[in-house]
Amino acid sequence: AQSVTQLDSQVPVFEEAPVELRCNYSSSVSVYLFWYVQYPNQGLQLLLKYLSGSTLVKGINGFEAEFNKSQTSFHLRKPSVHISDTAEYFCAVWGGGSNYKLTFGKGTLLTVNP
Amino acid sequence: DSGVTQTPKHLITATGQRVTLRCSPRSGDLSVYWYQQSLDQGLQFLIQYYNGEERAKGNILERFSAQQFPDLHSELNLSSLELGDSALYFCASSVLQGQNTEAFFGQGTRLTVV
Repeated sequence: AQSVTQLDSQVPVFEEAPVELRCNYSSSVSVYLFWYVQYPNQGLQLLLKYLSGSTLVKGINGFEAEFNKSQTSFHLRKPSVHISDTAEYFCAVWGGGSNYKLTFGKGTLLTVNP
Repeated sequence: DSGVTQTPKHLITATGQRVTLRCSPRSGDLSVYWYQQSLDQGLQFLIQYYNGEERAKGNILERFSAQQFPDLHSELNLSSLELGDSALYFCASSVLQGQNTEAFFGQGTRLTVV
């Protein structure tokens, strides 16, 4: 079985400040990790993904995430946020073998204030 | 635009009724996934189809059923609706099943049961 824990349900920050959204996962097999963003009244959009290779993954809109196998973490970071980054962010894990489903965390609401 | 189309966008219906949600995957994608998003449960995987066959089942109630047709579109049928079924229902598609792939999400169908 696999699970995802997003440690913060809400993260308020000021514009141009750095931000880190935390994600921990558990899985008994190799995993593939994703961050999705959901803007108000919209579907989920892929920000970035880790499948293999370099543990530092760069995504869209200036976001990046680092896969840390020993700490089973996949934290999302951005050095300077904008008002337009206000959204809900979901971390997800996709297990191997016959496990075809994406398991999502509960989400972190990032609110960027002026 | 993810290329995944869901209809209708909004649906309001009464308890005890039955509704059908429709999903057209991205061109070329063989896998379709259904998710339910609610405030208390977050994003829950319901069911997955690959090229017309059911491949994975998650927390899907017996009152719910789905199918994928030869043209690869999918329908999620919800019957004997209860107030607690009110949620956002997402469809996602991917070109491959399982690992090492990426899921593209539709805009969702917001179901309100009154």
